[in-house]
Amino acid sequence: AQKITQTQPGMFVQEKEAVTLDCTYDTSDPSYGLFWYKQPSSGEMIFLIYQGSYDQQNATEGRYSLNFQKARKSANLVISASQLGDSAMYFCAMREGSGGYNKLIFGAGTRLAVHP
Amino acid sequence: ETGVTQTPRHLVMGMTNKKSLKCEQHLGHNAMYWYKQSAKKPLELMFVYSLEERVENNSVPSRFSPECPNSSHLFLHLHTLQPEDSALYLCASSLRSSYNSPLHFGNGTRLTVT
Repeated sequence: AQKITQTQPGMFVQEKEAVTLDCTYDTSDPSYGLFWYKQPSSGEMIFLIYQGSYDQQNATEGRYSLNFQKARKSANLVISASQLGDSAMYFCAMREGSGGYNKLIFGAGTRLAVHP
Repeated sequence: ETGVTQTPRHLVMGMTNKKSLKCEQHLGHNAMYWYKQSAKKPLELMFVYSLEERVENNSVPSRFSPECPNSSHLFLHLHTLQPEDSALYLCASSLRSSYNSPLHFGNGTRLTVT
């Protein structure tokens, strides 16, 4: 069974507008973490934001925020004031458990295109 | 030099060749990972080394052989590959036992098997 689902293969947004990228996950472990990464055409995976399952508040990091709805098992990424440089692939990932190394399971990704 | 560095950036090899991918991290991390990224597929975890000990081997064919001589270096030795092994190979590192420590990735090696 797929543990991380990103249902939007592609999205586009006008420059300076906000966009939400969807991510749902499946786990029975009460302790888990959710990560979002950006992958430009250069190939490097760039860490954007983290949300822990026990965190009481939604994570924010500059123009990135995470809309974490635990009961619905969703962790959507919100990018505010989109910029042309935000055009890239975006991956949601999950870590199960709270100890040892961080084995991340990734979703299929969403390709975001920012239009001027 | 900082971050995670992978070499070479691009590699073309025949099915009978032997080559190695190299990864080096300068972040003081103690866990290292190999991921495979094929077209139209999610990233697949191949191997994990924690404190230089291999702790994950996700049913990867034996034609891929990892090596972690110390906490800063990770290699992926390749031999007798198949065309379907063509992909982007990403190395990552993180802090072990830090549950919110993100993986830091290198730029990847784009491998083409002819």
